[in-house]
Amino acid sequence: EVQLVESGGGLVQPGGSLRLSCAASGFTFSDHYMDWVRQAPGKGLEWVGRIKNKVESNITEYAASVKGRFTISRDDSKNSLYLQMNSLKTEDTAVYYCGRDTDASIDYWGQGVLVTVSS
Amino acid sequence: DIQMTQSPSSLSASVGDRVTITCRASQGIRNDLSWYHQKSGKAPKRLIYAASSLQSGVPSRFSGSGSGTEFTLTISSLQPEDFATYYCLQYNSYPWTFGQGTKVEIK
Repeated sequence: EVQLVESGGGLVQPGGSLRLSCAASGFTFSDHYMDWVRQAPGKGLEWVGRIKNKVESNITEYAASVKGRFTISRDDSKNSLYLQMNSLKTEDTAVYYCGRDTDASIDYWGQGVLVTVSS
Repeated sequence: DIQMTQSPSSLSASVGDRVTITCRASQGIRNDLSWYHQKSGKAPKRLIYAASSLQSGVPSRFSGSGSGTEFTLTISSLQPEDFATYYCLQYNSYPWTFGQGTKVEIK
């Protein structure tokens, strides 16, 4: 069974940093591209970014709203995906989901983790 | 960026009704479109990918159609567990973009 479990969320001040993790199990993590998607309170879904697999040199892509501030990485030896978030803004407040990417969009999602940026 | 315009933004329907939701892309995206539904407080669940392919385990009352710029999700006979918010997602080009969502409520 595919499982994705996010962790690392919490309250952070504007300008601060936070690192989210996503632990994967139930599939061959290293084969898959992976994504982060977020959802601000009461709002719709926003794609944050994507990391390809080792075969594709772990190439990353980002939404314009986070480019230069957020970094997606992975550790295939630990079946883990990461989202390093720097220079956080109040508008980054959201539930962050990791998702497994099948090259035909995201098929499985984690349960999400809440990040609150507030002073 | 490709804009995804979803309609309607909300609808009220009864159990057993046929429901149709539309997504329009601001430029052609071939068939690079998925549909998801999301219940309150839960993660989204994929229903359809490649515009018309049914995700494994999803009931056959869900179907998708379209190509290019116009796409449709149809629920042939609405069930109580289908009351949720529905989103389309284009993955043809970066940044991937979602429609704004359609909330399906009980009439």
